[in-house]
Amino acid sequence: GESVGLHLPTLSVQEGDNSIINCAYSNSASDYFIWYKQESGKGPQFIIDIRSNMDKRQGQRVTVLLNKTVKHLSLQIAATQPGDSAVYFCAENIGGSNYQLIWGAGTKLIIKP
Amino acid sequence: EAQVTQNPRYLITVTGKKLTVTCSQNMNHEYMSWYRQDPGLGLRQIYYSMNVEVTDKGDVPEGYKVSRKEKRNFPLILESPSPNQTSLYFCASSLSPTTASTSYEQYFGPGTRLTVT
Repeated sequence: GESVGLHLPTLSVQEGDNSIINCAYSNSASDYFIWYKQESGKGPQFIIDIRSNMDKRQGQRVTVLLNKTVKHLSLQIAATQPGDSAVYFCAENIGGSNYQLIWGAGTKLIIKP
Repeated sequence: EAQVTQNPRYLITVTGKKLTVTCSQNMNHEYMSWYRQDPGLGLRQIYYSMNVEVTDKGDVPEGYKVSRKEKRNFPLILESPSPNQTSLYFCASSLSPTTASTSYEQYFGPGTRLTVT
């Protein structure tokens, strides 16, 4: 079946550096993508989303890039801080009457001091 | 404070003993959903509800029931729990995703860790 996947299960980044978390999706009909952050012992929290009619969207210290040609999504975190340590999930929605989000397995971001 | 609450947070039970996990939101959201989270599998949707009295199956509905009699509550029912339902469960809510300009941003509860022996 079609699924959202992640290239790396764990990413270690030096504090202050930029982090890039990647996500590959396989459903070309997907029209909406979303990133969530999950800290240990908590539920996922919304970070940023993007629709398929865009290729870039910026938030506070975060940028999401969408490349529909290669079905690739990335989350960039600028000046990574210790509080950014978490598992990051990408999710997609294939649109139409289906309101389900299909979630990737997650990438664990580790911040090195 | 806007929030999604779940109870209980932790539950250990035995095979076959019916249980209910409650979920409540105070944001007047139309859409509510239940997920289970297992290591390496991300979040998988069990059931969702677009509004009161409207529910539908997600990816892994077998062994679960839900009801949506009130807008704020969306309980998850396990009629006869089995060990393969041992998992971390999350309830989430959001505005209705039917509007093109509406985000699918979901607000998640703190999770319920269920162990079935």
